[in-house]
Amino acid sequence: DGGITQSPKYLFRKEGQNVTLSCEQNLNHDAMYWYRQDPGQGLRLIYYSQIVNDFQKGDIAEGYSVSREKKESFPLTVTSAQKNPTAFYLCASSIEGRGNNEQFFGPGTRLTVL
Amino acid sequence: AQTVTQSQPEMSVQEAETVTLSCTYDTSESDYYLFWYKQPPSRQMILVIRQEAYKQQNATENRFSVNFQKAAKSFSLKISDSQLGDAAMYFCAYRLPNYGGSQGNLIFGKGTKLSVKP
Repeated sequence: DGGITQSPKYLFRKEGQNVTLSCEQNLNHDAMYWYRQDPGQGLRLIYYSQIVNDFQKGDIAEGYSVSREKKESFPLTVTSAQKNPTAFYLCASSIEGRGNNEQFFGPGTRLTVL
Repeated sequence: AQTVTQSQPEMSVQEAETVTLSCTYDTSESDYYLFWYKQPPSRQMILVIRQEAYKQQNATENRFSVNFQKAAKSFSLKISDSQLGDAAMYFCAYRLPNYGGSQGNLIFGKGTKLSVKP
């Protein structure tokens, strides 16, 4: 079945550590996105990529980094520079980043800083 | 900057009844897209319905329909014959087309938590 997978489902990090969240899609979508969700907030865009080897900062990119070496993969690294990383992280993809194309979401990763 | 406002943090509806969730947005653009997403307790985001701003006809998907008022910048979601499985967070989202330098990314409201009473 086609879809988006995120791993791990739960992730615990000690302060000062970098961690990488995985996002893989087999939908053959060009565009991929990372969102952060906090309680009482909507989703906020961290980074997005319209095509392989290219990505752009979203609204809250500070303390995060991404890569897009393959079409199907868009990993997100939460660095020690991110001051408040505890949150729910959602990855999404769409056929292309325009118009009314639906964004399909993965099941999410819950990151907790200990 | 574009913003999306959902003024109802929580709503409740009796099973089989109808409920309307409100959404307003702020934009100076004339061409854009609007979406309602559902996030059940599993936290999986699911598209409920979408609307193109250039279309005057309101979108409908089975028990879900929208009331799109472009001049008022309003995009409400009506759920008819509510079912227990409709209980979830509902997010309204706005998107510009991806041309002319626009990112074409989704901008979300803060959500409305819908409870369905049996």
